[in-house]
Amino acid sequence: GAVVSQHPSWVICKSGTSVKIECRSLDFQATTMFWYRQFPKQSLMLMATSNEGSKATYEQGVEKDKFLINHASLTLSTLTVTSAHPEDSSFYICSAREDSVRTDTQYFGPGTRLTVL
Amino acid sequence: AQSVAQPEDQVNVAEGNPLTVKCTYSVSGNPYLFWYVQYPNRGLQFLLKYITGDNLVKGSYGFEAEFNKSQTSFHLKKPSALVSDSALYFCAVTNAGNNRKLIWGLGTSLAVNP
Repeated sequence: GAVVSQHPSWVICKSGTSVKIECRSLDFQATTMFWYRQFPKQSLMLMATSNEGSKATYEQGVEKDKFLINHASLTLSTLTVTSAHPEDSSFYICSAREDSVRTDTQYFGPGTRLTVL
Repeated sequence: AQSVAQPEDQVNVAEGNPLTVKCTYSVSGNPYLFWYVQYPNRGLQFLLKYITGDNLVKGSYGFEAEFNKSQTSFHLKKPSALVSDSALYFCAVTNAGNNRKLIWGLGTSLAVNP
């Protein structure tokens, strides 16, 4: 149980284009999902908290107009990197917090490697 | 400020030997503590957590961790390391007043040598 999928697993795009990444909780409901960014050999950087039915909460320094988050249902959150540039190249990881168990455990997707040319 | 410290960037251990990956935390109120493991180019996998109760928590793949309130520590341990345990390990903490976000350590790279 507690499986989170993420799609695509990797994507290469041209500078200026937009890329959408999907995060799904496969066997549980998640009102809250999280989007992280990870640079090589570094820890996770929380970008935003995604809340079903309401606006996402962005961390300080994260541009909400560049990283659009939509939490359309209790099992799906999407992150769209708009007008991507090479500096947006990174490993993006989502996680989902299971609604039914109030212990704050987050279950992670396998990550998406974004390369912007 | 709430924080998590993993004092060792890297831990090396011989296969079959016991391993310890250290974690200390600073948080107001009662902490919820977590360990996750990350294999190369993969997302994080949940290993174990401490919420309340017995200070010794057992988790996946034979790992365990001991919550020590007086030392504010939550070290990860395994009695006999395997080469396949080689990965990046992250400690994290939250509490009810932290908007329930996880505060992450910087990670410790574990290398188990055959």
